[in-house]
Amino acid sequence: DAMVIQNPRYQVTQFGKPVTLSCSQTLNHNVMYWYQQKSSQAPKLLFHYYDKDFNNEADTPDNFQSRRPNTSFCFLDIRSPGLGDAAMYLCATSRDRTGTYEQYFGPGTRLTVT
Amino acid sequence: AQKITQTQPGMFVQEKEAVTLDCTYDTSDPSYGLFWYKQPSSGEMIFLIYQGSYDQQNATEGRYSLNFQKARKSANLVISASQLGDSAMYFCAMREGRADGLTFGKGTHLIIQP
Repeated sequence: DAMVIQNPRYQVTQFGKPVTLSCSQTLNHNVMYWYQQKSSQAPKLLFHYYDKDFNNEADTPDNFQSRRPNTSFCFLDIRSPGLGDAAMYLCATSRDRTGTYEQYFGPGTRLTVT
Repeated sequence: AQKITQTQPGMFVQEKEAVTLDCTYDTSDPSYGLFWYKQPSSGEMIFLIYQGSYDQQNATEGRYSLNFQKARKSANLVISASQLGDSAMYFCAMREGRADGLTFGKGTHLIIQP
């Protein structure tokens, strides 16, 4: 089945130690998104790729970076995780950026910072 | 101002009853899409139903229907014949025509009681 896959499902990292979260998709969608969802809150968009074009949200901290080496894969890098970065990180894909296309979400990676 | 408002933080409903989850939105863009997602405790965001701003009829998907009242900027989700497995967080989300990601409401925690 076509799907969005996130690895790992659970990640524990130490304060200040760089960490990378992975997302892959078999849907061949043009757009890949990263959302951060803190406990009991709504998901918040961090950035997205439209093909190879990177689009950062204005309030996304510089500590968060992303790479998309090809259509299928997208990575979220947290350069120096703080305790406040503990959250669920959701990857999503969409065929295009217009309002009519739904976003397909992966299962998420739950990040713990110790 | 919030773009998506979900006024019910939590709801308890008896099994087999119908349930309506409220969502109001705010946009000046004539082109937008409204989405409902279900998020079980496992964390994955599951797409339920979509309504486009130009759609003339209310969207339906199995037991889910969307009561779209454009003039009131309301997009309530109706679940008919609720089941125990419907217990989850439910998020209303919007993508405006020129925006990139989804803007989510704060969610409603639905608990179905036997």
